[in-house]
Amino acid sequence: DGGITQSPKYLFRKEGQNVTLSCEQNLNHDAMYWYRQDPGQGLRLIYYSQIVNDFQKGDIAEGYSVSREKKESFPLTVTSAQKNPTAFYLCASSIRQGSGNTIYFGEGSWLTVV
Amino acid sequence: AQSVTQPDIHITVSEGASLELRCNYSYGATPYLFWYVQSPGQGLQLLLKYFSGDTLVQGIKGFEAEFKRSQSSFNLRKPSVHWSDAAEYFCAVVASGGSYIPTFGRGTSLIVHP
Repeated sequence: DGGITQSPKYLFRKEGQNVTLSCEQNLNHDAMYWYRQDPGQGLRLIYYSQIVNDFQKGDIAEGYSVSREKKESFPLTVTSAQKNPTAFYLCASSIRQGSGNTIYFGEGSWLTVV
Repeated sequence: AQSVTQPDIHITVSEGASLELRCNYSYGATPYLFWYVQSPGQGLQLLLKYFSGDTLVQGIKGFEAEFKRSQSSFNLRKPSVHWSDAAEYFCAVVASGGSYIPTFGRGTSLIVHP
Protein backbone atom coordinates (compact mmCIF):
# COMPACT_ATOMS: atom_id res chain seq x y z
CA ASP A 1 0.00 0.00 0.00
CA GLY A 2 1.16 3.52 -0.73
CA GLY A 3 1.72 5.80 2.18
CA ILE A 4 4.01 7.69 4.49
CA THR A 5 5.95 5.74 7.09
CA GLN A 6 7.42 7.38 10.14
CA SER A 7 9.74 5.64 12.56
CA PRO A 8 10.13 5.15 15.37
CA LYS A 9 6.66 5.71 16.78
CA TYR A 10 8.05 6.40 20.25
CA LEU A 11 11.51 7.68 21.07
CA PHE A 12 13.18 8.68 24.29
CA ARG A 13 16.23 10.87 24.30
CA LYS A 14 18.55 12.09 26.99
CA GLU A 15 19.25 15.77 27.14
CA GLY A 16 22.24 16.74 25.03
CA GLN A 17 21.76 13.97 22.48
CA ASN A 18 20.79 14.33 18.86
CA VAL A 19 18.06 12.10 17.50
CA THR A 20 16.88 11.41 13.96
CA LEU A 21 13.29 10.71 12.99
CA SER A 22 12.75 8.80 9.80
CA CYS A 23 10.14 9.59 7.15
CA GLU A 24 9.71 7.53 3.99
CA GLN A 25 6.99 7.85 1.35
CA ASN A 26 6.21 5.64 -1.62
CA LEU A 27 3.60 7.97 -3.13
CA ASN A 28 6.06 9.48 -5.60
CA HIS A 29 5.35 12.88 -4.08
CA ASP A 30 7.64 15.77 -4.85
CA ALA A 31 7.21 17.80 -1.68
CA MET A 32 7.75 16.68 1.91
CA TYR A 33 7.21 18.46 5.20
CA TRP A 34 7.91 18.18 8.90
CA TYR A 35 5.49 19.57 11.47
CA ARG A 36 5.65 19.76 15.21
CA GLN A 37 2.49 19.44 17.29
CA ASP A 38 2.14 20.52 20.89
CA PRO A 39 -1.10 20.36 22.87
CA GLY A 40 -3.36 23.27 22.08
CA GLN A 41 -0.99 24.77 19.51
CA GLY A 42 -1.97 23.06 16.32
CA LEU A 43 0.69 22.26 13.74
CA ARG A 44 3.84 24.27 13.27
CA LEU A 45 6.02 23.88 10.20
CA ILE A 46 9.66 22.97 10.87
CA TYR A 47 11.11 22.35 7.39
CA TYR A 48 9.85 21.55 3.94
CA SER A 49 11.37 20.32 0.72
CA GLN A 50 9.95 20.76 -2.75
CA ILE A 51 12.59 18.79 -4.66
CA VAL A 52 15.53 16.53 -3.97
CA ASN A 53 18.63 18.21 -2.55
CA ASP A 54 16.70 21.34 -1.64
CA PHE A 55 14.81 22.35 1.49
CA GLN A 56 13.60 25.49 3.24
CA LYS A 57 13.11 26.51 6.83
CA GLY A 58 9.63 26.74 8.20
CA ASP A 59 8.39 28.74 11.16
CA ILE A 60 10.33 26.90 13.88
CA ALA A 61 13.51 25.52 12.26
CA GLU A 62 15.90 26.43 15.07
CA GLY A 63 17.41 23.33 16.66
CA TYR A 64 16.40 21.06 13.79
CA SER A 65 18.08 19.87 10.61
CA VAL A 66 16.93 17.89 7.58
CA SER A 67 18.26 16.33 4.40
CA ARG A 68 16.62 15.33 1.13
CA GLU A 69 19.02 13.07 -0.70
CA LYS A 70 16.28 10.88 -2.14
CA LYS A 71 12.79 11.74 -3.31
CA GLU A 72 11.18 9.25 -0.97
CA SER A 73 13.09 10.13 2.20
CA PHE A 74 13.12 13.24 4.40
CA PRO A 75 14.72 12.54 7.80
CA LEU A 76 14.53 15.09 10.61
CA THR A 77 17.31 15.48 13.17
CA VAL A 78 16.43 17.04 16.49
CA THR A 79 19.66 18.47 17.79
CA SER A 80 20.73 19.23 21.32
CA ALA A 81 20.23 22.91 20.47
CA GLN A 82 16.46 22.42 20.46
CA LYS A 83 15.48 23.68 23.89
CA ASN A 84 12.14 21.96 24.25
CA PRO A 85 12.09 18.97 21.92
CA THR A 86 9.43 16.86 23.64
CA ALA A 87 6.55 16.84 21.17
CA PHE A 88 4.64 14.89 18.54
CA TYR A 89 6.28 15.11 15.12
CA LEU A 90 4.37 14.68 11.88
CA CYS A 91 5.82 14.08 8.45
CA ALA A 92 3.75 14.86 5.39
CA SER A 93 4.03 14.88 1.62
CA SER A 94 2.23 16.27 -1.41
CA ILE A 95 2.33 15.52 -5.10
CA ARG A 96 3.35 18.98 -6.23
CA GLN A 97 2.99 22.61 -5.48
CA GLY A 98 0.07 23.27 -7.78
CA SER A 99 -3.39 21.76 -7.97
CA GLY A 100 -4.26 22.73 -4.46
CA ASN A 101 -1.31 20.89 -2.98
CA THR A 102 -3.22 18.29 -0.98
CA ILE A 103 -1.01 17.17 1.88
CA TYR A 104 -1.04 13.66 3.29
CA PHE A 105 0.34 12.74 6.68
CA GLY A 106 2.22 9.91 8.33
CA GLU A 107 1.18 8.48 11.68
CA GLY A 108 3.58 10.61 13.68
CA SER A 109 6.46 10.07 16.08
CA TRP A 110 6.45 10.86 19.78
CA LEU A 111 9.72 12.23 21.09
CA THR A 112 10.29 12.50 24.82
CA VAL A 113 13.40 14.00 26.36
CA VAL A 114 14.31 12.42 29.69
CA ALA B 1 -0.05 35.79 4.12
CA GLN B 2 -3.05 33.60 4.67
CA SER B 3 -4.40 32.72 8.10
CA VAL B 4 -6.99 30.34 9.50
CA THR B 5 -9.17 30.73 12.56
CA GLN B 6 -11.06 27.96 14.26
CA PRO B 7 -12.92 29.89 16.95
CA ASP B 8 -14.05 26.88 18.96
CA ILE B 9 -11.39 25.05 20.95
CA HIS B 10 -13.87 22.42 22.17
CA ILE B 11 -17.30 21.38 20.94
CA THR B 12 -19.51 18.96 22.82
CA VAL B 13 -22.45 17.24 21.14
CA SER B 14 -24.68 14.32 21.92
CA GLU B 15 -24.52 11.23 19.77
CA GLY B 16 -27.02 11.54 16.95
CA ALA B 17 -27.06 15.33 17.04
CA SER B 18 -25.95 17.50 14.17
CA LEU B 19 -22.52 19.10 14.09
CA GLU B 20 -21.01 22.25 12.66
CA LEU B 21 -17.36 23.18 13.14
CA ARG B 22 -16.40 26.67 12.15
CA CYS B 23 -13.44 27.76 10.07
CA ASN B 24 -12.68 31.27 8.87
CA TYR B 25 -9.77 32.20 6.68
CA SER B 26 -8.01 35.32 5.63
CA TYR B 27 -6.70 35.47 2.09
CA GLY B 28 -7.11 37.94 -0.75
CA ALA B 29 -8.07 35.51 -3.47
CA THR B 30 -9.92 32.21 -3.47
CA PRO B 31 -7.86 29.75 -1.49
CA TYR B 32 -7.73 26.00 -1.49
CA LEU B 33 -9.43 24.72 1.66
CA PHE B 34 -9.16 21.48 3.58
CA TRP B 35 -10.51 19.70 6.63
CA TYR B 36 -8.51 17.02 8.42
CA VAL B 37 -9.35 14.77 11.36
CA GLN B 38 -6.89 13.47 13.93
CA SER B 39 -7.51 10.70 16.44
CA PRO B 40 -5.37 10.78 19.59
CA GLY B 41 -1.76 9.90 18.89
CA GLN B 42 -2.34 9.49 15.18
CA GLY B 43 -1.61 11.40 12.02
CA LEU B 44 -4.06 13.65 10.21
CA GLN B 45 -6.55 12.15 7.78
CA LEU B 46 -8.01 14.21 4.95
CA LEU B 47 -11.79 14.55 5.25
CA LEU B 48 -12.48 16.79 2.27
CA LYS B 49 -11.13 19.62 0.19
CA TYR B 50 -12.32 22.54 -1.89
CA PHE B 51 -10.47 23.78 -4.93
CA SER B 52 -13.14 25.32 -7.15
CA GLY B 53 -16.61 24.72 -8.52
CA ASP B 54 -19.50 23.57 -6.36
CA THR B 55 -19.23 25.31 -3.02
CA LEU B 56 -20.70 22.36 -1.13
CA VAL B 57 -18.21 19.51 -0.98
CA GLN B 58 -18.75 16.01 0.27
CA GLY B 59 -16.13 14.10 2.15
CA ILE B 60 -15.53 10.81 3.86
CA LYS B 61 -17.31 9.57 6.99
CA GLY B 62 -20.49 11.49 6.09
CA PHE B 63 -18.95 14.95 6.44
CA GLU B 64 -19.57 17.91 4.19
CA ALA B 65 -18.35 21.50 4.10
CA GLU B 66 -19.58 24.65 2.45
CA PHE B 67 -17.37 27.39 1.08
CA LYS B 68 -18.88 30.84 1.56
CA ARG B 69 -16.78 33.48 -0.09
CA SER B 70 -18.78 36.38 1.34
CA GLN B 71 -18.11 35.16 4.87
CA SER B 72 -14.60 33.81 4.26
CA SER B 73 -15.74 30.59 5.84
CA PHE B 74 -15.48 26.86 5.23
CA ASN B 75 -17.56 25.23 7.94
CA LEU B 76 -17.64 21.48 8.42
CA ARG B 77 -20.98 19.76 9.01
CA LYS B 78 -22.38 16.36 9.75
CA PRO B 79 -26.11 15.67 10.18
CA SER B 80 -25.76 12.95 12.81
CA VAL B 81 -22.66 12.47 14.92
CA HIS B 82 -21.41 9.05 15.96
CA TRP B 83 -19.31 8.38 19.06
CA SER B 84 -16.41 7.43 16.79
CA ASP B 85 -16.32 11.00 15.45
CA ALA B 86 -14.75 12.20 18.69
CA ALA B 87 -11.38 13.58 17.58
CA GLU B 88 -9.47 16.75 16.78
CA TYR B 89 -10.45 18.57 13.60
CA PHE B 90 -8.18 20.90 11.68
CA CYS B 91 -9.03 23.36 8.97
CA ALA B 92 -6.26 24.32 6.54
CA VAL B 93 -5.85 26.85 3.77
CA VAL B 94 -3.44 26.95 0.86
CA ALA B 95 -2.94 30.15 -1.08
CA SER B 96 -3.68 29.66 -4.77
CA GLY B 97 -0.54 31.61 -5.59
CA GLY B 98 2.82 31.54 -3.92
CA SER B 99 4.57 28.79 -1.98
CA TYR B 100 1.51 26.52 -1.66
CA ILE B 101 2.47 25.79 1.93
CA PRO B 102 -0.69 25.10 3.95
CA THR B 103 -1.60 27.07 7.02
CA PHE B 104 -3.47 25.13 9.69
CA GLY B 105 -5.93 26.31 12.28
CA ARG B 106 -5.33 25.46 15.92
CA GLY B 107 -7.90 22.71 15.83
CA THR B 108 -11.27 21.98 17.41
CA SER B 109 -11.66 19.10 19.80
CA LEU B 110 -14.97 17.28 19.36
CA ILE B 111 -16.43 15.52 22.38
CA VAL B 112 -19.37 13.21 21.83
CA HIS B 113 -21.69 12.33 24.70
CA PRO B 114 -23.62 9.06 24.54
